[in-house]
Amino acid sequence: GESVGLHLPTLSVQEGDNSIINCAYSNSASDYFIWYKQESGKGPQFIIDIRSNMDKRQGQRVTVLLNKTVKHLSLQIAATQPGDSAVYFCAENEDGAGNNRKLIWGLGTSLAVNP
Amino acid sequence: NAGVTQTPKFRILKIGQSMTLQCTQDMNHNYMYWYRQDPGMGLKLIYYSVGAGITDKGEVPNGYNVSRSTTEDFPLRLELAAPSQTSVYFCASSNTGGTNEKLFFGSGTQLSVL
Repeated sequence: GESVGLHLPTLSVQEGDNSIINCAYSNSASDYFIWYKQESGKGPQFIIDIRSNMDKRQGQRVTVLLNKTVKHLSLQIAATQPGDSAVYFCAENEDGAGNNRKLIWGLGTSLAVNP
Repeated sequence: NAGVTQTPKFRILKIGQSMTLQCTQDMNHNYMYWYRQDPGMGLKLIYYSVGAGITDKGEVPNGYNVSRSTTEDFPLRLELAAPSQTSVYFCASSNTGGTNEKLFFGSGTQLSVL
């Protein structure tokens, strides 16, 4: 399944399928991007990050892709599991010095995994 | 380690009342942050602190105050609660303020102002 994260906030996938969550960022000068996962009733948790000098970064079952030409970021989750059900936020950093307090957070995409 | 602990988890206030949202972290992090999260919206930074005795405004500071007397604690004060302050509030911390430092979040305080 695929979602334009900022404008279609809900993505529903079958367990075992791959999920793709998309995020359009606003500032071509942003040099750092992060994905956080927020489970119901909890605070956001860091998943993976990527710097603008990279196109792709892989973690455990997750991959982040960055397309600077179209200012687009995506989070791919392989073999989606029920525990992946959460809201996923992308955030960009507009401060070239690298500053957490300058993070700009997206609206979030809700991922629902169907058994 | 407990990480970042917020209290209370839920609170209902009447317009004009005041309250303090508590936040404490046991990771010896220098940086602490307060965010609010409105329904269907991303996080907005209210205030942050780079260390004990030092605080500064974030994106949406109006109606709030903070203090940082110790490394561990970073309370958020609402003096005259307004319905616009109905939100979920998250406290976070990081070791440094750099973007390569993960933010560690508490579980949030859901506040309703009626």
